[in-house]
Amino acid sequence: QPVLTQPPSVSAVPGQKVTISCSGSSSNIGNNYVSWYQQLPGTAPKLLIYDDNKRPSGIPDRFSGSKSGTSATLGITGLQTGDEADYYCGTLDSSLSDAVFGGGTKVTVL
Amino acid sequence: EVQLVQSGAEVKKPGESLRISCKYSGYMFPSYWIGWVRQMPGRGLELMGIIHPGDSQTRYSPSFQGQVTMSLDQSITTAYLQWSSLKASDTARYYCVRQYGYGGNFCLDYWGQGTLVTVSS
Repeated sequence: QPVLTQPPSVSAVPGQKVTISCSGSSSNIGNNYVSWYQQLPGTAPKLLIYDDNKRPSGIPDRFSGSKSGTSATLGITGLQTGDEADYYCGTLDSSLSDAVFGGGTKVTVL
Repeated sequence: EVQLVQSGAEVKKPGESLRISCKYSGYMFPSYWIGWVRQMPGRGLELMGIIHPGDSQTRYSPSFQGQVTMSLDQSITTAYLQWSSLKASDTARYYCVRQYGYGGNFCLDYWGQGTLVTVSS
C-alpha cells in the first residue's frame, strides 16, 4: 500500500486542465519537498516537477506543481493526447527514513 | 548529455544469482548519488537504495536491506545491482536513476531505460 495517496485515474478532453492530488502526512509531504514523474506507456519515468513547484529545463509550463500542508497537486493545462501517461508523486518520509511514492494516476485524454 | 545506459533483459530461475549494470556518463560523477528503482508489473515506483560514486557509501531502503547489493566501479563509471538468490517476486523492471539533492529535497532527475528481470522456473 503506497504511503502517498493519488487518485487511480483522471480524464479530460484535449485542451482542458486536469489536476492530480497527492495526499500524505506531516512526516512526508508536510515537511519535505515533492517531486512528480511522468511515465509514458512503455517508457521510463521522467522528472516533471521538483522541489514542489520547479520545472526542469525542457518541461513545458503547461505542467505545474503546488503544495499546501500535507497535500501536493500536479496541474496540466492545455491537455494533449501526448500527455496520456501515468503520473507519480514522490518525497522523503522522515519517520520511515525512506523515499515514498504515490500509487500513480493514469491520465486519459478523451 | 547525462546518460544512464542499462544492461539488457534477463530471464533467470529461482535461486540463481544475477548482476545488472548501469553505465553513467555526461556529468561530474561524485556530485550525485546513483539509485535503483523497482517497478513490479502493473505497479508503482520503489526506490531500493542509493550509492555514492565518490566513496561507494550506500543507503538501502529498509524494504530492500539484505535483499540486494549495490556496488559500482568508478574506473568504468558503472553501477551494479546484484541478487545472490533470486525469487519469483523479484520479477520487475529495474531502473537506474541519478538522484539530485539528498534527504528532504531529493528528486530523481535522470533515468536509465530500465532492465526487465524475469524470474521463473
